[in-house]
Amino acid sequence: GENVEQHPSTLSVQEGDSAVIKCTYSDSASNYFPWYKQELGKRPQLIIDIRSNVGEKKDQRIAVTLNKTAKHFSLHITETQPEDSAVYFCAASTSGTYKYIFGTGTRLKVLA
Amino acid sequence: DGGITQSPKYLFRKEGQNVTLSCEQNLNHDAMYWYRQDPGQGLRLIYYSQIVNDFQKGDIAEGYSVSREKKESFPLTVTSAQKNPTAFYLCASSSFAGTEAFFGQGTRLTVV
Repeated sequence: GENVEQHPSTLSVQEGDSAVIKCTYSDSASNYFPWYKQELGKRPQLIIDIRSNVGEKKDQRIAVTLNKTAKHFSLHITETQPEDSAVYFCAASTSGTYKYIFGTGTRLKVLA
Repeated sequence: DGGITQSPKYLFRKEGQNVTLSCEQNLNHDAMYWYRQDPGQGLRLIYYSQIVNDFQKGDIAEGYSVSREKKESFPLTVTSAQKNPTAFYLCASSSFAGTEAFFGQGTRLTVV
């Protein structure tokens, strides 16, 4: 069935360093890839997304890259700050299906 | 304040009882979703609905039921048949797959 694998499950970085989280999807028809940030006890919120017709997208310290051939997409956070500490989820969806397949999440800890 | 609202935030249930979690959205979204989140786990899809009076089972529908009588509302009933109901439940809505899904603030259900 459709699935999204996400790695690593936990990631600790020093403040100011970069963090990279990787996801692999199985459904080649997937064409929308959002990333959500969930702080402890709160709702997931969209931080960045990318569509299959784009290879890279940046928003200040956050960037997402997509390799359609390999069915990989990654989240890059530069100059990490303590407030970046949270759980990050990737997801894949396909237009017209109304389904989002989420990865298992990455707990990012930014050490001051 | 537009968005998606879940209630209650905390819910306690005795074993053997059914309980209903509320989810309301005023975003005029067609699709609504229920996810279950266990500690350290990802988001697992329980049910989703693309349109009023129609819904589909997700990956873990056993022991749960839903209704979609109004576009704005998608309540989830956790029945006594659900063997391990203690979890954090998240409701979401979207225009359609391929766009951002918005999440409610979640309901933490505890069986006592």
